Amino acid sequence: EPEVTQTPSHQVTQMGQEVILRCVPISNHLYFYWYRQILGQKVEFLVSFYNNEISEKSEIFDDQFSVERPDGSNFTLKIRSTKLEDSAMYFCASSGSSSGANVLTFGAGSRLTVL
Amino acid sequence: RKEVEQDPGPFNVPEGATVAFNCTYSNSASQSFFWYRQDCRKEPKLLMSVYSSGNEDGRFTAQLNRASQYISLLIRDSKLSDSATYLCVVLSTDSWGKLQFGAGTQVVVTP
Repeated sequence: EPEVTQTPSHQVTQMGQEVILRCVPISNHLYFYWYRQILGQKVEFLVSFYNNEISEKSEIFDDQFSVERPDGSNFTLKIRSTKLEDSAMYFCASSGSSSGANVLTFGAGSRLTVL
Repeated sequence: RKEVEQDPGPFNVPEGATVAFNCTYSNSASQSFFWYRQDCRKEPKLLMSVYSSGNEDGRFTAQLNRASQYISLLIRDSKLSDSATYLCVVLSTDSWGKLQFGAGTQVVVTP
């Protein structure tokens, strides 16, 4: 079964450092997303990406965050200067027109710990 | 008011029993509804989409009540492997791709 892969599975960083989380979406999917889940809380939407541009972003996705699809397979989330409250599990997801643009497949997540 | 509300549980269910729980949503423009399952510290996985007429997938039955703005999930003949957190997920017409998640209902199936 096709899957979304994410790296790293866990990253520990110091406050103020830049972090890049990487994702390889399902190969024939066209829509890409980042969500996050702070420990013990609900999953929250960060950003959606289609046709090489951001489609929608939440209020969480401020100027410290950026996304990029640098090549045909990777989809990255960059946090420019991490804060303690950025500690969370970050899930990448993708969806495709054949399965339904709104039927998302999630990756296993990247756990970010900011010290 | 939270956009998607769920009873956090836990619902402690003997193996083989039936359990049901609801979720309410606040945005009447919501168009698509899903139940996801999340195991501890894992990613959400789609359990089933919820259709207007209600739908069934094996032991799982989902219902949608647009008038009262709630969806429900019923699990029959519970298995130990059904122990998980069940996430109610809603998509609004004006928020393409932006899924709204509930905080989840925890189900614990006991032998």
